[in-house]
Amino acid sequence: AQSVAQPEDQVKVAEGNPLTVKCTYSVSGNPYLFWYVQYPNRGLQFLLKYITGDNLVKGSYGFEAEFNKSQTSFHLKKPSALVSDSALYFCAVRDTGFQKLVFGTGTRLLVSP
Amino acid sequence: DARVTQTPRHKVTEMGQEVTMRCQPILGHNTVFWYRQTMMQGLELLAYFRNRAPLDDSGMPKDRFSAEMPDATLATLKIQPSEPRDSAVYFCASGLVIRDTTYEQYFGPGTRLTVT
Repeated sequence: AQSVAQPEDQVKVAEGNPLTVKCTYSVSGNPYLFWYVQYPNRGLQFLLKYITGDNLVKGSYGFEAEFNKSQTSFHLKKPSALVSDSALYFCAVRDTGFQKLVFGTGTRLLVSP
Repeated sequence: DARVTQTPRHKVTEMGQEVTMRCQPILGHNTVFWYRQTMMQGLELLAYFRNRAPLDDSGMPKDRFSAEMPDATLATLKIQPSEPRDSAVYFCASGLVIRDTTYEQYFGPGTRLTVT
């Protein structure tokens, strides 16, 4: 079965510093990978996806993610963090049935002023 | 700006009562998902529908939970009878399936359920 792992429950960075939120995947076949963000008391919001093509995917709010096939990773990155980026981030992979996504456990990002 | 809407946003009820949560998917989307989020279990997929037909409800406790799509603009999740352990935030999401593949899902704001 397809799965993703987010090894860090929490990531802390200072505002202005680059941030990375890690995600590794396990799939059979070509991976379709996603990142979502959840702000307090809100639903998940789609950030970006990798289907095929360029390994560096750009998404909303200045986020990008790098697909690395050899390391089976899809880490979320941003060059300069903002306090407003503090939220819960979920990595997801399309399931083998193609009709649902399998979500990771989430990583809480805390950006300090 | 198309959005998934959910009602009610908050619900407090007593154990044993029936709870009905409603979702309006984005117009044109043909797949609807129900999720439950708790601190302990994280995000769990309860059920999902395609073209109003249930495809998978294996994540849902069958004895008390039921999910339906009376029409393309309305999905419902019902709990009867409710129990304190059902307290959670319930999210609805919708997506568009093209050639048997769902891409990104769009989430509603959730219904925060508290069962006392």
